[in-house]
Amino acid sequence: GPKVLQIPSHQIIDMGQMVTLNCDPVSNHLYFYWYKQILGQQMEFLVNFYNGKVMEKSKLFKDQFSVERPDGSYFTLKIQPTALEDSAVYFCASSSTSNQDTQYFGPGTRLLVL
Amino acid sequence: TQTVSQSDAHVTVFEGDSVELRCNYSYGGSIYLSWYIQHHGRGLQFLLKYYSGNPVVQGVNGFEAEFSKSDSSFHLRKASVHWSDSAVYFCAVRPNSGTYQRFGTGTKLQVVP
Repeated sequence: GPKVLQIPSHQIIDMGQMVTLNCDPVSNHLYFYWYKQILGQQMEFLVNFYNGKVMEKSKLFKDQFSVERPDGSYFTLKIQPTALEDSAVYFCASSSTSNQDTQYFGPGTRLLVL
Repeated sequence: TQTVSQSDAHVTVFEGDSVELRCNYSYGGSIYLSWYIQHHGRGLQFLLKYYSGNPVVQGVNGFEAEFSKSDSSFHLRKASVHWSDSAVYFCAVRPNSGTYQRFGTGTKLQVVP
């Protein structure tokens, strides 16, 4: 089936540094999402993105977070600067305009902030 | 308060048994309901969804779910589980007026051989 890729699979970074998480969504999808999951717990919505703009963001989407998809390339989540509490697994998802609620998830990026 | 809750954190059954994983919601208005499965260390995979029509929806791998407006529920069922069904199952709700799904806390299903 359709696949969402995420690069890198793991990232270890010092607190205060910048990190960029990359997502390669399903090719014809236009809705993109980032979720945060701590220690295999609940999947928490961060932000969604459509037509080059953020549609909604949660209170977890701090000012240090930003998303973009320049020129149809990777859909990225940037955290600058990182904090200890940003350590989590970040999942990207995408869905089509005709089937918005069938989201395809990537395998996740495991971020550890030291 | 709008919530989606999965009351069972862990469920253990024997291979071949039936299982029901519970999901209850407290949203008004029209909603989309979905179930996802997450195997250890992997992303979520879509199982099935409901918006309207027949309250019993069929999904992949023999899973089905039944919507009940009176009970505010969307429980997931499987008649005969396999060891490979061991995973965490997430229920999700999207209000028709919203743009993203809210996930429950998940139910970890363990299938014992």
